[in-house]
Amino acid sequence: QKEVEQNSGPLSVPEGAIASLNCTYSDRGSQSFFWYRQYSGKSPELIMFIYSNGDKEDGRFTAQLNKASQYVSLLIRDSQPSDSATYLCAVNTSGGFKTIFGAGTRLFVKA
Amino acid sequence: GAGVSQSPSNKVTEKGKDVELRCDPISGHTALYWYRQRLGQGLEFLIYFQGNSAPDKSGLPSDRFSAERTGESVSTLTIQRTQQEDSAVYLCASSLELAGAGEQFFGPGTRLTVL
Repeated sequence: QKEVEQNSGPLSVPEGAIASLNCTYSDRGSQSFFWYRQYSGKSPELIMFIYSNGDKEDGRFTAQLNKASQYVSLLIRDSQPSDSATYLCAVNTSGGFKTIFGAGTRLFVKA
Repeated sequence: GAGVSQSPSNKVTEKGKDVELRCDPISGHTALYWYRQRLGQGLEFLIYFQGNSAPDKSGLPSDRFSAERTGESVSTLTIQRTQQEDSAVYLCASSLELAGAGEQFFGPGTRLTVL
C-alpha cells in the first residue's frame, strides 16, 4: 500500500464547476497535511495546509480532513482554466519531519 | 527576497559519470529537503536536513546517492556512477518551521539526463 494515494486523473471539469480532489494516507499518526499545485514544467507551490479535523477555507479553496478515515480532500469552487494543473497531496509522517507526497491528480478545467 | 535556487538547471551526463547538484535555500530556513521527480510522477523524498541534527537519509535509493549541507546554508546532492534510471528532475525545498508545520518553498529544480 502506498503511503499517500491519489487518483491520477485526469479530472476534467467545466469552468465554474466545483473540482473535488481526494487523498488517503496510511500513517494514522500523521498530523500535518498539505496540498501543493504544480503547473507543467514548474515546481510545486503550496495551496493549503490543514492540521485539524474538519474544513478549512481560503478563498475558492477548501481543505477537508478526516483523521479517523485517513482522508484529506481539496475542493476548488468556481474552477477556472488557470486552475488546470497537477495537485499534490503531502503528508508529514508521525514522529519525524519527512514529507510524503502522493503521485498527484491532474486537473483540467475546460473553458 | 531571493527564493530557493538550484544549479545547474540542466545537466546531461554519460552513464557511469558522477554529478553534483547544488541547492541554495532561503536565508534563515533551517530545514532543507531533496526530492526526485520522474516524468509524470510525484515527488520522491530523498533526504532531509534540519539545523545541526543528523539528516534523515531514509529516502536515498542507493549508496550511490549522498548529500551534504554546511550549517544552515548550501546543500549538495551527489550521484556517483550515474545510471539511466537516475534521469529525473531533482527538486530542493527549504522550510522555516519545524516538524512539518511550515510551508516548503521549492527551487526550480535540476533536470538530470543520463545518456
